[in-house]
This record gives sequence, C-alpha cells and structure tokens, in this order.
Amino acid sequence: DVKVTQSSRYLVKRTGEKVFLECVQDMDHENMFWYRQDPGLGLRLIYFSYDVKMKEKGDIPEGYSVSREKKERFSLILESASTNQTSMYLCASTLQGKEKLFFGSGTQLSVL
Amino acid sequence: QKEVEQDPGPLSVPEGAIVSLNCTYSNSAFQYFMWYRQYSRKGPELLMYTYSSGNKEDGRFTAQVDKSSKYISLFIRDSQPSDSATYLCAMSPGSGNTGKLIFGQGTTLQVKP
Repeated sequence: DVKVTQSSRYLVKRTGEKVFLECVQDMDHENMFWYRQDPGLGLRLIYFSYDVKMKEKGDIPEGYSVSREKKERFSLILESASTNQTSMYLCASTLQGKEKLFFGSGTQLSVL
Repeated sequence: QKEVEQDPGPLSVPEGAIVSLNCTYSNSAFQYFMWYRQYSRKGPELLMYTYSSGNKEDGRFTAQVDKSSKYISLFIRDSQPSDSATYLCAMSPGSGNTGKLIFGQGTTLQVKP
C-alpha cells in the first residue's frame, strides 16, 4: 500500500522556536508538496519540489523553508515559529506528470 | 473572488439519501478535476479523478464536470454513515503545474443512521 508518512501527528511549540516537519514517501515519487489547511481557507500550497535538491515557492512561502536531500524525504522548516503558523500541515507526493496527489495524515501544529 | 468556490455546509442527510456536492470555478484553464474525502484528523484521500468534461462513475460515486458552466459535482448514492467526512474539490490546469492543485474549502457531510 502506498504511503506518505509525516513524523508527528501533533506538535506544540513556542513562538520563536525553529520547527522541523518531516515527510517520507515510499512510492518513488519525483514530486513532493507541503500544504497547510486552515478552516475557511482550505488547503494552500507552501512549497514544492520536482526533484532532489530542487525547491520552488508555492502561494504562501513566507516564514517557511524546505529541504530535499533525498528523493523520498521532504522537510518543512519554520525558521522562527509564530502564532499565525498554527495550522494543519499536509505533505503530499505524486509521480512526474501526474495530477493525483497522495497525502500524509497531517501534522497539527500549535504555536503558543 | 476565490478561484474555486465550495459551500462549506455542514450538510446533514439521512442514511440512504442521494447527496450532491458542488464546486464552481473561475479559471477556464483548469483541465483536471478531483474530489478528495477527508475524515476527521486525517489527510485527504483521492476519491474521484476526471480529465476535462464529462461524467465518471465509481460504485456509489459519480463525478460530473461541466466546463461550459465552470461547475463540477459529486453525487453519492445510497449514502452511508461511513460517508460522513469533509469533501474537497480540487483542480489544476496541468501543463507543468503537476500537483499544484487549487482546492475548494471543503463541504462537511454528515449522514445520519
């Protein structure tokens, strides 16, 4: 069964902390994505990567960075967490040229 | 105006009812249309996938795309309590935008036994 695994289901952090969200996929997908999901706003794309060591900004990249050192792993980094980054973070992957996204279970991040 | 509009509900129906979920969009370049189902505290899972206009059926689920009206629908026949979830429409123009989907905000559905 295909799988996208996010390392944490729930995280609580303090403002100003550096936060790492990890995502691993076992489907040999080239493309990986980070979305955040907020009530009333739906899912919004933060960053994506179409290849190892490659990254591109999505619609809301401010305050975030990413790292993709291996094909199967895509990390989202909050350099200095703020309360407005409290959200559900969803990692997803897809094959090159395919539109069907496969999502992980999400990480609910609370920044206090 | 959002690119994709979806009524958030909540929508409550009795078991066995036919459910109709809808999205409208403004970008005529969209070619790929999807419906995702999301259970509480879980990630979205792909339910239906359609390229361009037309209908697609999979068991109790039917997806319709009307590009002339910029309107997509998901029908659920003989709805079950296990169908209670949030349903997200998503779409993409494709052509180098692989995976960069534009989502509706989701409709919460409750099917009562």
